[in-house]
Amino acid sequence: DTAVSQTPKYLVTQMGNDKSIKCEQNLGHDTMYWYKQDSKKFLKIMFSYNNKELIINETVPNRFSPKSPDKAHLNLHINSLELGDSAVYFCASSQFAGGTYEQYFGPGTRLTVT
Amino acid sequence: AQSVSQHNHHVILSEAASLELGCNYSYGGTVNLFWYVQYPGQHLQLLLKYFSGDPLVKGIKGFEAEFIKSKFSFNLRKPSVQWSDTAEYFCAVKGTGGTSYGKLTFGQGTILTVHP
Repeated sequence: DTAVSQTPKYLVTQMGNDKSIKCEQNLGHDTMYWYKQDSKKFLKIMFSYNNKELIINETVPNRFSPKSPDKAHLNLHINSLELGDSAVYFCASSQFAGGTYEQYFGPGTRLTVT
Repeated sequence: AQSVSQHNHHVILSEAASLELGCNYSYGGTVNLFWYVQYPGQHLQLLLKYFSGDPLVKGIKGFEAEFIKSKFSFNLRKPSVQWSDTAEYFCAVKGTGGTSYGKLTFGQGTILTVHP
């Protein structure tokens, strides 16, 4: 069983388009995250939701908008895509945000903007 | 703000060699520390974590890490690497208070290549 799943796995699109990436976890966790891994493999947190409430919102352009319809899903919508948005986007979840709870990562979505 | 620094970008070893990957962090309070591994084409997986108690923690696949508070370090070790350990390794720190609560900050990653 896949614990954290993301769709699509690959996404190729043109500048200016709007796209969404979906994430689902079946672990019963309360907290979900979005990370961006750039071309140098540097992983940086973008957003975190705890039970549908936004708790971490890093300095991310407002073209990026996360949406959590329920605590098992956290989607990422990106408006007006730019070349610099090309990266691998990872979704993750954990039982709770704090403490020693580890984060479980999805397989990633490789976004290429041309 | 918390930060993590991994000293080596790329480490190349032969099978059976010993491994030590350096990780230093900066954070003013109590931290939780993690090492994650990303095998080629796969997602990140947890190797081990430290939150309190014995500073020497053991993880999966024979890996261990030692937390040295005075040096703000959490180095990863393995006595004898295998070809299957070829992967990228990420050190991460999670702050326990204030604006760092729940926020996992990763280092730049270290690529490990093990030659048979």
